Amino acid sequence: AQKVTQAQTEISVVEKEDVTLDCVYETRDTTYYLFWYKQPPSGELVFLIRRNSFDEQNEISGRYSWNFQKSTSSFNFTITASQVVDSAVYFCALSEAEGYSTLTFGKGTMLLVSP
Amino acid sequence: KAGVTQTPRYLIKTRGQQVTLSCSPISGHRSVSWYQQTPGQGLQFLFEYFSETQRNKGNFPGRFSGRQFSNSRSEMNVSTLELGDSALYLCASSLIGGTMGSYNEQFFGPGTRLTVL
Repeated sequence: AQKVTQAQTEISVVEKEDVTLDCVYETRDTTYYLFWYKQPPSGELVFLIRRNSFDEQNEISGRYSWNFQKSTSSFNFTITASQVVDSAVYFCALSEAEGYSTLTFGKGTMLLVSP
Repeated sequence: KAGVTQTPRYLIKTRGQQVTLSCSPISGHRSVSWYQQTPGQGLQFLFEYFSETQRNKGNFPGRFSGRQFSNSRSEMNVSTLELGDSALYLCASSLIGGTMGSYNEQFFGPGTRLTVL
């Protein structure tokens, strides 16, 4: 069975601080996908990134960066120089890479960025 | 291109009633998935429909059901509502379902917030 753990329930930072959201996953599959989604107060999930289990390269997109380490089954997300608009709930998710698989989500981390 | 739309956005029902939620996917998308989000259980997969057929189902009781129409619009129904059914119900659409292929991302709607009193 697949499982995603986001141990941080809530993180509070002051604007311009860097913040890292942790994600640890469990799967017996050798090929899988990892995702991060952002959920603002409006409710819809906004896709941020998708990573194939064979691609362990870190990725940077503007102020966002992701660190994928297969050895520790972790897929951590860092926001550099956080802004108030980054305040949201962030979800890490996992899916099999075969068939019509679905997403298994972590419980989410609420990020509060204050001015 | 219009996004995924869900109606109604908010709903209040009482225990024992039934409810129907609607989801209109992005034009051209044929797969619709439903998720339930609660503070205690988080985001949990309910079911997925493709070409009017349920292709995947999560671990929910039979009170939860759904269907998909020929235009890919989907409805989910919850009968005999319980207090624990209070949740945000999210719908996601994608081209063909599943998560394979970078072209096949799931796009989520704003959700329907159901409150059961």
